[in-house]
Amino acid sequence: SAVISQKPSRDICQRGTSLTIQCQVDSQVTMMFWYRQQPGQSLTLIATANQGSEATYESGFVIDKFPISRPNLTFSTLTVSNMSPEDSSIYLCSVGGGRTEAFFGQGTRLTVV
Amino acid sequence: DAKTTQPPSMDCAEGRAANLPCNHSTISGNEYVYWYRQIHSQGPQYIIHGLKNNETNEMASLIITEDRKSSTLILPHATLRDTAVYYCIVRFLSGSQGNLIFGKGTKLSVKP
Repeated sequence: SAVISQKPSRDICQRGTSLTIQCQVDSQVTMMFWYRQQPGQSLTLIATANQGSEATYESGFVIDKFPISRPNLTFSTLTVSNMSPEDSSIYLCSVGGGRTEAFFGQGTRLTVV
Repeated sequence: DAKTTQPPSMDCAEGRAANLPCNHSTISGNEYVYWYRQIHSQGPQYIIHGLKNNETNEMASLIITEDRKSSTLILPHATLRDTAVYYCIVRFLSGSQGNLIFGKGTKLSVKP
């Protein structure tokens, strides 16, 4: 199993600012995943973050808006840049899910005002 | 990964079995059926998975039809804490791709 800690758990931000979300795993993992869950919706994959390489973004998500860092095998950050109210969502990081079950953090609830 | 179809919502009385159906008629031979749930304000939680045999663990049972086109997740004695959105996901086991494709899921409400 894997224990994932996300920070912050929630935040209220002004439009036009940026927020960096941290994800810490208690074991070394190759891939980490970032998801977005808009209000009342299901989870949508933003990007896959591999250590030592550029993150791979899904259609509709771009690096300028959601830059990701992956400095080592236990840590990743997702930045939500130049925020607007439409970015209000829960952001979740995840590990596993390849040949094993996936584990998720508790999420970061972001409100942009 | 094959697409799944689930009812948007279901109710269940506390203490009774909750049977959550999932259709996956386009599933291929090597795709597994996974179930996750998301309790309000938490990250998704793995429940169970299977290929073609029925599976049981401490949380639930998974019944997969012989043709594998549908499955049912069974919570044998539902409690109020089982109120959540339940996601049925069909996917290959892959060492190089671990992301999950979530549908809309079934919102299960367990009532006293």
